[in-house]
Amino acid sequence: GAGVSQSPRYKVAKRGQDVALRCDPISGHVSLFWYQQALGQGPEFLTYFQNEAQLDKSGLPSDRFFAERPEGSVSTLKIQRTQQEDSAVYLCASSLYEGSEQFFGPGTRLTVL
Amino acid sequence: SQKIEQNSEALNIQEGKTATLTCNYTNYSPAYLQWYRQDPGRGPVFLLLIRENEKEKRKERLKVTFDTTLKQSLFHITASQPADSATYLCALDPGGSNYKLTFGKGTLLTVNP
Repeated sequence: GAGVSQSPRYKVAKRGQDVALRCDPISGHVSLFWYQQALGQGPEFLTYFQNEAQLDKSGLPSDRFFAERPEGSVSTLKIQRTQQEDSAVYLCASSLYEGSEQFFGPGTRLTVL
Repeated sequence: SQKIEQNSEALNIQEGKTATLTCNYTNYSPAYLQWYRQDPGRGPVFLLLIRENEKEKRKERLKVTFDTTLKQSLFHITASQPADSATYLCALDPGGSNYKLTFGKGTLLTVNP
């Protein structure tokens, strides 16, 4: 009866390093979302998948950000050449279908030094 | 520009009182509005959704109102308890995408025993 899980929970990277953040959605959930939450702010939409198709990536801040969900289940958010402004909590959410309740994971806190 | 504002960053009340949180928005005509609870170190948890044709919705000690003329939603917790202490976020789907949520910054509610 697991919810959405994310790993790692905490990641410290040196500026310029690449990082990969993993999301395991609830089994059977078609829709998957990534959000970025800065300290003291609400989550901001990054990207949306329906099964393996990335239908919306309008929120990705730059071309250093890349997300994939190759088999329509697990998703990875990759950030290349990390910058200090990338420091934030990255939240993954899944929903049974588009428009249904979104279930959030605990997030990965990324700190770029 | 489009904005969502939650009335205050922090609200302190005494146990047993009713907490009232406000969410105002501009330049949107959302079909629905959602409220989430977020505890430290965790992802948001969905609480309630209210549609534009609904004036009020209740769930146990929670009540949400939605005034599309005022562009405002009120979120009430009656008979508040210290366990209700958390950050409460409102969210809406400004573009009618049926998936892309825009969140407010949240209001940190503290219920004192």
